[in-house]
Amino acid sequence: GQNIDQPTEMTATEGAIVQINCTYQTSGFNGLFWYQQHAGEAPTFLSYNVLDGLEEKGRFSSFLSRSKGYSYLLLKELQMKDSASYLCAVLYNQGGKLIFGQGTELSVKP
Amino acid sequence: EAGVTQSPTHLIKTRGQQATLRCSPISGHTSVYWYQQALGLGLQFLLWYDEGEERNRGNFPPRFSGRQFPNYSSELNVNALELEDSALYLCASSRTITGELFFGEGSRLTVL
Repeated sequence: GQNIDQPTEMTATEGAIVQINCTYQTSGFNGLFWYQQHAGEAPTFLSYNVLDGLEEKGRFSSFLSRSKGYSYLLLKELQMKDSASYLCAVLYNQGGKLIFGQGTELSVKP
Repeated sequence: EAGVTQSPTHLIKTRGQQATLRCSPISGHTSVYWYQQALGLGLQFLLWYDEGEERNRGNFPPRFSGRQFPNYSSELNVNALELEDSALYLCASSRTITGELFFGEGSRLTVL
């Protein structure tokens, strides 16, 4: 299978930093995406990692370790509008399927 | 540039009926993906079309089918509807198979 695991939910405080982890099966790995989905809306692209290391984009950073089958999304200076579901998705080269994890529901509290 | 558009926004059907959902990709995108998002569940991969061909499908029964037209728009058909088919159906397009997916707002199907 191609299981992708991430925590179901997390809570953090406004202004803080939160790290959302994602683990995946490494066989056939061809890239990892993070998406944000607000309730009732379509997912929107946040980041893409295909090589090991950290990709930084403003308040959001994403890290990848291909050998460990591990990624994390780091959100800094949390804002209330960051309350959303964060989806980890892995592109597997067997057929070009982008497989999504269940998503992590992040609640940002004042 | 117009985004991915889906229709209808909402659709209500009864068990045993058939539903047809439509998707228009972003101009220049040749790949179209369909995902099912049931309440409380993650996005489940349904189908992938590229250049008019079905390239891959997820673990769904054959009553889920679709096609891609020459203008790259796509249609998802669900036959013999069951209650558990009630979900948000999301269409996404990309320029290449390794590219970022751009999602439409989805079609919410309710089966009564």
